[in-house]
Amino acid sequence: DIQMTQSPSTLSASVGDRVTITCRASQSIPKWLAWYQQKPGKAPKLLIYRASSLESGVPSRFSGSGSGTEFTLTISSLQPDDFATYHCQQYNTYWTFGQGTRVEIK
Amino acid sequence: EVQLVESGGGLVQPGESLRLSCAASGFTFSSYAMSWVRQAPGKGLEWVSAINDIGGSTNYADSVKGRFTISRDNSNSALYLQMNSLRAEDTAVYYCARDREGSSWYAPFDYWGQGTLVTVSS
Repeated sequence: DIQMTQSPSTLSASVGDRVTITCRASQSIPKWLAWYQQKPGKAPKLLIYRASSLESGVPSRFSGSGSGTEFTLTISSLQPDDFATYHCQQYNTYWTFGQGTRVEIK
Repeated sequence: EVQLVESGGGLVQPGESLRLSCAASGFTFSSYAMSWVRQAPGKGLEWVSAINDIGGSTNYADSVKGRFTISRDNSNSALYLQMNSLRAEDTAVYYCARDREGSSWYAPFDYWGQGTLVTVSS
């Protein structure tokens, strides 16, 4: 089974900050990685797929990079609506999620 | 507008069964693989099961294999999850989700339902 490890688990940041979240896969998943945003009590929302492709309607301040086993999600300038939990997901072999990264207000 | 609406959750005792449903609308349901994903209270997301577009191929997480069965009714745009021999650790919000790539087997999930809570407790 492919394991996904996100870091950090919690991140404190201010509006306007550049934020980076890392996701590592236990084995190579080429570019088969997605990022989701989830707010309390709500379903996850797809932000990025194929490691770096922006889903339609997602603001351009969100970007993804990486390949193989190491990936990052970057928010270029954090907005009030961005305080949420972010999950990475591999879909190279079945589907596995990271444990999530909570972005909280500093 | 794509909509996925889950139902069937509730409180059950360990060892009992429950059947979840997901009603789909706003897209050609028979052209998309579908999955169930769950989230235990305060925990991360866990993929549970997937079914291909025509229902001929299914996959399960090891944690539910042999106890859960996924199925679909394309004529009624409905997805199901039959859950047997439920355990306390199955307590979670269960979401149905659509594969972004249509009939492609491995893909991210672009639409999710609002979720239905399953609580397994004596």
